[in-house]
Amino acid sequence: GAVVSQHPSRVICKSGTSVKIECRSLDFQATTMFWYRQFPKQSLMLMATSNEGSKATYEQGVEKDKFLINHASLTLSTLTVTSAHPEDSSFYICSARDEGDLGGYTFGSGTRLTVV
Amino acid sequence: EDKVVQSPLSLVVHEGDTVTLNCSYEVTNFRSLLWYKQEKKAPTFLFMLTSSGIEKKSGRLSSILDKKELSSILNITATQTGDSAIYLCAVYTGTASKLTFGTGTRLQVTL
Repeated sequence: GAVVSQHPSRVICKSGTSVKIECRSLDFQATTMFWYRQFPKQSLMLMATSNEGSKATYEQGVEKDKFLINHASLTLSTLTVTSAHPEDSSFYICSARDEGDLGGYTFGSGTRLTVV
Repeated sequence: EDKVVQSPLSLVVHEGDTVTLNCSYEVTNFRSLLWYKQEKKAPTFLFMLTSSGIEKKSGRLSSILDKKELSSILNITATQTGDSAIYLCAVYTGTASKLTFGTGTRLQVTL
């Protein structure tokens, strides 16, 4: 089945620094990928839709200058958390859909970001 | 605004019990409903439902969609401690091809 690889799985950074998270579709091409954020004991909140070769579509309330998304190829999308603050600490997950796979969306393994 | 609501929010049962998890939705341009199981990391896919009244089954898990009632249920029979997880319901709409997730149901199965 479809596999999505997300890296890193865990990162600790200092306040004010930037962190980049990568999401790769390993055995299929994904023109669209999705970035979610999940707070403890809560559901997944869609942050933005990453579109290959064009600008990402951000959900209401998500700061596009803070959460930079780049989808430079059909297999890679990146999320950069800029000038991170402790309140940005969260679990970030990406997903993609293999159009040929009736199994729905496949998720990356997630990135636990801790900003200290 | 698309909305997906799950109930109950959390549930504690004994091993061997049968549980039913609920998902209701209010969305425009419904395409399909998906169930996921999330343990410690990313959600893993369980079922995708597009047609009303057709049960999907995988081992002790089964699910069915009711488009008239705008809802779906996920049944787990003879629960085991390994079933302990958050169960997420998501609706796929044609709008921007995105998934809208429900609130999730946290299931804990005790010995």
